Amino acid sequence: NAGVMQNPRHLVRRRGQEARLRCSPMKGHSHVYWYRQLPEEGLKFMVYLQKENIIDESGMPKERFSAEFPKEGPSILRIQQVVRGDSAAYFCASSPRSKIAGELFFGEGSRLTVL
Amino acid sequence: AQTVTQSQPEMSVQEAETVTLSCTYDTSESDYYLFWYKQPPSRQMILVIRQEAYKQQNATENRFSVNFQKAAKSFSLKISDSQLGDAAMYFCAYREETSGSRLTFGEGTQLTVNP
Repeated sequence: NAGVMQNPRHLVRRRGQEARLRCSPMKGHSHVYWYRQLPEEGLKFMVYLQKENIIDESGMPKERFSAEFPKEGPSILRIQQVVRGDSAAYFCASSPRSKIAGELFFGEGSRLTVL
Repeated sequence: AQTVTQSQPEMSVQEAETVTLSCTYDTSESDYYLFWYKQPPSRQMILVIRQEAYKQQNATENRFSVNFQKAAKSFSLKISDSQLGDAAMYFCAYREETSGSRLTFGEGTQLTVNP
């Protein structure tokens, strides 16, 4: 049973470009969470999605950031017009269901570097 | 809002010795989960141990155990017989037992194991 898969593992973008990060949850998991980890800091919640629905985006910056989890395919975190401050590791996590809150299963992260 | 505090940015321990990492949290909920995650240099988030708040018995996983003090809102991690492979960043995390709740992380404790 494959774990949470994230790609790309490393992404380099110049200021003003777009970054797209993809996350495929574990098989049977329908809940996806995105977290951001700035250098030397802990993980900060960004957004929680279920298939075709954004449930909680209270941690998302109001501009330039968006997320989706379509009926088919991976969840995507999209950052438009990237700036140097967006450089961070972005982690995706999944869980099998929402009612019983156990641990989240994390991917290996996508490291974004903005030049 | 729930907060998680790790007051020790860095800790060190001699190989084969015991070390305790501290964590406190703030919540008004009675039902929740607490976790310790390990993040080695590979940056993969690895679950170390979990504790359900309704359980009075402290969780144990091999060399890892917790001291859960619900009234004091304290959740420390004890690592016995420390090994070089235990060197990592350790994050304490909290999750409500409600539908779709997020994980809230502390800022982390960097553990060094000295040979």
